[in-house]
Amino acid sequence: DIQMTQSPSSLPANVGESVTITCRASQDIRNDLAWYQQRPGEAPKRLIYSASSLQSGVPSRFRGGGSGTVFTLAILGLQPEDFATYYCLQHNTYPPTFGGGTNVE
Amino acid sequence: QITLRESGPTQVNPTQTLTLTCRFSGFSLTTDAVGVAWIRQPPGQAPEWLAVIFWDDDKRYSPTLKNRLTITKDTTSDTVVLTMTDMDPVDSGTYYCTHTPRLYASDTGSHYPGSFGVWSPGTRVTVSS
Repeated sequence: DIQMTQSPSSLPANVGESVTITCRASQDIRNDLAWYQQRPGEAPKRLIYSASSLQSGVPSRFRGGGSGTVFTLAILGLQPEDFATYYCLQHNTYPPTFGGGTNVE
Repeated sequence: QITLRESGPTQVNPTQTLTLTCRFSGFSLTTDAVGVAWIRQPPGQAPEWLAVIFWDDDKRYSPTLKNRLTITKDTTSDTVVLTMTDMDPVDSGTYYCTHTPRLYASDTGSHYPGSFGVWSPGTRVTVSS
């Protein structure tokens, strides 16, 4: 299985700040990576697909980047509703695997 | 608009079989490259992919759980059923079904999984006697 190592696991931040989350794949996954946001009690919501494409309806302050083995999710100017847990997902190879999550708090 | 909703028991006893049904609308499992996947999430942990079934009845399973999982589809009722045998307390968590495409890599000539765009709300399953 491809391992997805996400960092940091916890990210203290304040409203208005910009933060970056990193995901590293154990092997080259091209740009077959998505980012998800999950609020407590809710299903994950896709923010970014194909590493850098913004999902329709998602604010432009979310920016995805990277390819190969290193990927980033940047949130430019945190809003109160952005405090949540974020996961990366690789879907290059079966089985699809998620990173361990980053709690933006 | 694509929607999915799962149904099934909220509690099962250890060693029992869990059967979950996903009812969907807004797409058809007779359409090329369309699939439905199951994903679970233990409390406080990351999601874990379990299985997927595609329009042509192609099925893939998690290697660590494949001996316990069966996924089937019914195109007349727009449902996908997941069964998991020999349930254990560590299988407790929230179970989701999702819409997903099957993608094709022209450079390798092989199919590979798509990501998960629309999710069901999730159903919490507890394994305990």
